[in-house]
Amino acid sequence: QKEVEQNSGPLSVPEGAIASLNCTYSDRVSQSFFWYRQYSGKSPELIMSIYSNGDKEDGRFTAQLNKASQYVSLLIRDSQPSDSATYLCAVNPQGGAAGNKLTFGGGTRVLVKP
Amino acid sequence: DGGITQSPKYLFRKEGQNVTLSCEQNLNHDAMYWYRQDPGQGLRLIYYSQIVNDFQKGDIAEGYSVSREKKESFPLTVTSAQKNPTAFYLCASSIVTSGSPEQFFGPGTRLTVL
Repeated sequence: QKEVEQNSGPLSVPEGAIASLNCTYSDRVSQSFFWYRQYSGKSPELIMSIYSNGDKEDGRFTAQLNKASQYVSLLIRDSQPSDSATYLCAVNPQGGAAGNKLTFGGGTRVLVKP
Repeated sequence: DGGITQSPKYLFRKEGQNVTLSCEQNLNHDAMYWYRQDPGQGLRLIYYSQIVNDFQKGDIAEGYSVSREKKESFPLTVTSAQKNPTAFYLCASSIVTSGSPEQFFGPGTRLTVL
């Protein structure tokens, strides 16, 4: 079992719809969770961080964390063609005991169709 | 402007050569990281350093070496022992305080073995 798992996609979403991305992790004591957006050929860009159970909203993005079920999700509302990218989920394992290391999932490719 | 720079953007290596990738940051971050990304895959940690003159192996350190003589700089050498070095190499940095493990990435170096 991979430490951080994501559906590779592609997730095809009509423009204006909600894109829902999921990520599961295996380390129960993980405390910090991140979503990065990566355009083709570019480096990852941090778009959301979440540390507590529940929802965190930032503009059109909402991150949801459920530590009991060991999953974190990202919702993109009013999806735009510019949201077409690969979204990487990252987890700080071992409750931070390993320092600031992050473990990344393989990414979910999102395609927003006009 | 504060940020992370990597050079060169593209690098071509012949079989048996060692090459060094540069990573510099002016964010005053203590920790720096090197990742490798293969097509369609997530990021894998090569080496990381949380303080000057100290670094640790990541998940795929074989065939790579690093140094951390200055806080701002964390060069990565890809040695001839690395059998499959063609990949996208990403450098990242973060502050080292509890609860703030966000990592920020440079633009990357794309290495191709000829």
